[in-house]
Amino acid sequence: DTGVSQDPRHKITKRGQNVTFRCDPISEHNRLYWYRQTLGQGPEFLTYFQNEAQLEKSRLLSDRFSAERPKGSFSTLEIQRTEQGDSAMYLCASSLRSRVSGNTIYFGEGSWLTVV
Amino acid sequence: AQTVTQSQPEMSVQEAETVTLSCTYDTSESDYYLFWYKQPPSRQMILVIRQEAYKQQNATENRFSVNFQKAAKSFSLKISDSQLGDAAMYFCAYRILLIQGAQKLVFGQGTRLTINP
Repeated sequence: DTGVSQDPRHKITKRGQNVTFRCDPISEHNRLYWYRQTLGQGPEFLTYFQNEAQLEKSRLLSDRFSAERPKGSFSTLEIQRTEQGDSAMYLCASSLRSRVSGNTIYFGEGSWLTVV
Repeated sequence: AQTVTQSQPEMSVQEAETVTLSCTYDTSESDYYLFWYKQPPSRQMILVIRQEAYKQQNATENRFSVNFQKAAKSFSLKISDSQLGDAAMYFCAYRILLIQGAQKLVFGQGTRLTINP
């Protein structure tokens, strides 16, 4: 059973460029989450998908951010016109709606973004 | 709004000793879940232990246990017989329920735990 995988693990980009991160959740997990974590801080919730529907968005998710989960499996997080303040680790997580699993959230290793 | 506070940015402990990490939270709800997550360097965050607020008994998982004080809104993590592999950032988290039964976690600032050999 593979865990949550994220790609790329590290990305350095120039200010103003667009970047896209991909997340592959644990197989059959119908719930997918994106979090952002800056140095020395805990993760902050960005958005949540149930299957292909984006059901919750944080106000941290500005207009430059867009997330998709087109077929209810993998998800992408795109940041347009990147700014230095976007530098952070972007964490993907997934969970399964199940009384047995207790809705435990499993995290990926994260995608580090550095905007220069 | 629910908030989670970890007042110890860094802690260190001698290998095989016991260490306690502190966490306080604020909520107006009566039923909720609390979690401790461990984030080793450059590795994914993993769940260490969870506590359901309606359960009076403190949760335990092998060498990890919690001291849950509901009235004081305190949720500390005790690690017994510390091992080198326990070195990591530890995050306390509170679960907020979203629509259709999903959840989001509100995290504290984290405590960096160092194990001295």
